[in-house]
Amino acid sequence: DADVTQTPRNRITKTGKRIMLECSQTKGHDRMYWYRQDPGLGLRLIYYSFDVKDINKGEISDGYSVSRQAQAKFSLSLESAIPNQTALYFCATSDKRSDTYNEQFFGPGTRLTVL
Amino acid sequence: SQKIEQNSEALNIQEGKTATLTCNYTNYSPAYLQWYRQDPGRGPVFLLLIRENEKEKRKERLKVTFDTTLKQSLFHITASQPADSATYLCALDLTGTASKLTFGTGTRLQVTL
Repeated sequence: DADVTQTPRNRITKTGKRIMLECSQTKGHDRMYWYRQDPGLGLRLIYYSFDVKDINKGEISDGYSVSRQAQAKFSLSLESAIPNQTALYFCATSDKRSDTYNEQFFGPGTRLTVL
Repeated sequence: SQKIEQNSEALNIQEGKTATLTCNYTNYSPAYLQWYRQDPGRGPVFLLLIRENEKEKRKERLKVTFDTTLKQSLFHITASQPADSATYLCALDLTGTASKLTFGTGTRLQVTL
């Protein structure tokens, strides 16, 4: 879905490096989410944000931080990457005000490899 | 904590048949349950949402049921087509406000000619 974009799409980095994954959306949604997906473990929530000033930890926030720079932008940082953070990362949005406010819209994903 | 179980084994069916996927959950019942489709290397795409007071929801060839007594949702694709081949994820909204979703690991469906 081109309305939710993620950059970069692929990234290979080394242990200990700082990495930032960016997410932008043109849907005008108030809520944004970061998930990681690992084989056999499914999608797990890292952080979520209801608006610019409301950021919440998900189930696996350790080792990650986020920044909601604007309603349309939500960045995920790995301060010091480690190999077990190798995964597929998805950003998602939802809009509480719409008829389908429960529906989440996902970006195309960022494949991160930490060596 | 809430646990969601989807059959991790792939479901292989013949074109034209009805595919039925299962989502079981433990502990308390969610206010909503959602189904998503995910193609390899791509983000999940929302398909259907069913609320706790709804027994069944339909959309074209898709049908979802929700049995809060059994703590189970069934996802049916009728007249399946090879293009329906994908992984299907169920997700629970425990808060009723879409603030957090807990996803199952998904079941891969393969529809053959």
